Amino acid sequence: NAGVMQNPRHLVRRRGQEARLRCSPMKGHSHVYWYRQLPEEGLKFMVYLQKENIIDESGMPKERFSAEFPKEGPSILRIQQVVRGDSAAYFCASSPLALTPYIFNEQFFGPGTRLTVL
Amino acid sequence: DQQVKQNSPSLSVQEGRISILNCDYTNSMFDYFLWYKKYPAEGPTFLISISSIKDKNEDGRFTVFLNKSAKHLSLHIVPSQPGDSAVYFCAATPTQGGSEKLVFGKGTKLTVNP
Repeated sequence: NAGVMQNPRHLVRRRGQEARLRCSPMKGHSHVYWYRQLPEEGLKFMVYLQKENIIDESGMPKERFSAEFPKEGPSILRIQQVVRGDSAAYFCASSPLALTPYIFNEQFFGPGTRLTVL
Repeated sequence: DQQVKQNSPSLSVQEGRISILNCDYTNSMFDYFLWYKKYPAEGPTFLISISSIKDKNEDGRFTVFLNKSAKHLSLHIVPSQPGDSAVYFCAATPTQGGSEKLVFGKGTKLTVNP
């Protein structure tokens, strides 16, 4: 019963390159969340996806960042033309399908991808 | 604007004593609160939560207290153990609205000394 998996665990990119971060949710989970943690900061929400749908992207920068959760395969967070300020730990979390409205479904976090932009 | 605040970046406690971690929030729409524990190079792990309809929730050595009028919650760990040494994040969310996004504080690094 594997937990949330993220790869790569560490990613080094030069300025201007693209970064692709992958997240495989826990088995049976249909909701995926991406959070970013800058140094000395808490985690900040970026985007919430269900299969083939973006539900809330209010925390996602308007440019260069995109996310998808296709019908098959992992969720992908894509950062184009990376800059030094993108260096951070990116965490993915997943939760099961909500059975009851207004009841919070626990989010299970992956180990994170540490992105370093040189 | 920081909607969830953990004003103590660090806390050091002797093994066996009580650890008290504090958290304040500003958004009145938050009605569900969680504590996560995080070790270096790992993802956050859920510890305990509380709904706004309660003022206390207990799970073993961990108890969370919620004071809605003060918009304040605290996590009590008793007795503290060296394995509790980690960064503790307070998080909050509004259960209405459909997003379920968590708003985190900056964390408090707890060190439990043997």
